[in-house]
Amino acid sequence: GAVVSQHPSRVICKSGTSVKIECRSLDFQATTMFWYRQFPKQSLMLMATSNEGSKATYEQGVEKDKFLINHASLTLSTLTVTSAHPEDSSFYICSASQLAKNIQYFGAGTRLSVL
Amino acid sequence: GQSLEQPSEVTAVEGAIVQINCTYQTSGFYGLSWYQQHDGGAPTFLSYNGLDGLEETGRFSSFLSRSDSYGYLLLQELQMKDSASYFCAVSAPGDSNYQLIWGAGTKLIIKP
Repeated sequence: GAVVSQHPSRVICKSGTSVKIECRSLDFQATTMFWYRQFPKQSLMLMATSNEGSKATYEQGVEKDKFLINHASLTLSTLTVTSAHPEDSSFYICSASQLAKNIQYFGAGTRLSVL
Repeated sequence: GQSLEQPSEVTAVEGAIVQINCTYQTSGFYGLSWYQQHDGGAPTFLSYNGLDGLEETGRFSSFLSRSDSYGYLLLQELQMKDSASYFCAVSAPGDSNYQLIWGAGTKLIIKP
């Protein structure tokens, strides 16, 4: 149980284009989903927290207009990196948790390379 | 501020036992989790301690002492595939339900 699917696993795009990453909880209802960014050899950096049906809560320093998050259902959240630039190249990881459970289950991650 | 401390790197021999410690300082505490991450992969959940004591799951055990703000992950009968980074994370009250506060990770190197 507790499977989270993240797609795509890898994307290469040109500077200025937008990229959408999907995160799905396959066998449970995810009341909360989290989006992280991770640089090589570093810990996870929380970007935003989203609850189904409400606006995402962004961490300080994360541009909400740059990283659009939609959590339209209890099983799907999307992160759109708008007008991507080379500095946005990173490993993006989503996670999901169930109501009242303090455990997060992670997707496999998306490696974004912006040329 | 809120912080977790864990060793940056630990080296052990295949078949041995290794303990990775984690101390934390957070405003609020629900529990301590451990995650494993292999190079190039995403974190996978290993264990969660909400109460003091030892939780055992196969070769892995995790311990928590809330009074000491301390926990550890114990890996027994080490295998080469256990070479990975291990993160401790504290669940604490957040703006939205709860948040996970992450340690910097411990790179476990296993030698034959």
